[in-house]
Amino acid sequence: DVKVTQSSRYLVKRTGEKVFLECVQDMDHENMFWYRQDPGLGLRLIYFSYDVKMKEKGDIPEGYSVSREKKERFSLILESASTNQTSMYLCASSFPTPGSTDTQYFGPGTRLTVL
Amino acid sequence: DAKTTQPPSMDCAEGRAANLPCNHSTISGNEYVYWYRQIHSQGPQYIIHGLKNNETNEMASLIITEDRKSSTLILPHATLRDTAVYYCIVRLSDINTGTASKLTFGTGTRLQVTL
Repeated sequence: DVKVTQSSRYLVKRTGEKVFLECVQDMDHENMFWYRQDPGLGLRLIYFSYDVKMKEKGDIPEGYSVSREKKERFSLILESASTNQTSMYLCASSFPTPGSTDTQYFGPGTRLTVL
Repeated sequence: DAKTTQPPSMDCAEGRAANLPCNHSTISGNEYVYWYRQIHSQGPQYIIHGLKNNETNEMASLIITEDRKSSTLILPHATLRDTAVYYCIVRLSDINTGTASKLTFGTGTRLQVTL
């Protein structure tokens, strides 16, 4: 079974703090993704990575950065947390299969509250 | 990606089959039908996907109509643990690791399994 783990299930931070969200997958997947999920807005892609040290902006990268130093680990960084970054953060990973589309597997999510 | 339409909610008695419909009338030939579910406050869970043929795995069956404009996810013996929001998604078969790989969830169907 694919396993994607996230460092925290619940996190409370103060405005202006630097926040690190960690994601680890154990299936040697090439692709890793960070989404946020908000009521009424669905799932929105923040950043993704298709290889070590490679990253691409998603739809809402502002206020975030990422790091992928090892294949199994993808970190999301909030440089200076703000209240509008209070959300559920979801990490996913996938392995593209030639001739098919890639199935993404999600972690349990981190519910971040910024006060 | 093509738009999907799902009923907002459904009920199912425990032990009975749950049949969740999805309309995707604008689906194109190279788009797959994917199903995910999300139990409250958890990350989305992959269930099944298919292109043209019906598919079955240990979790569910996917029935795709011949014209591919609609599909049905079948949970053969629903249990209380199947209570969740179920998302039907259509995605390109392009394995390009660009933003085309992102998942877009609609509002889904809230399935309530009752005793």
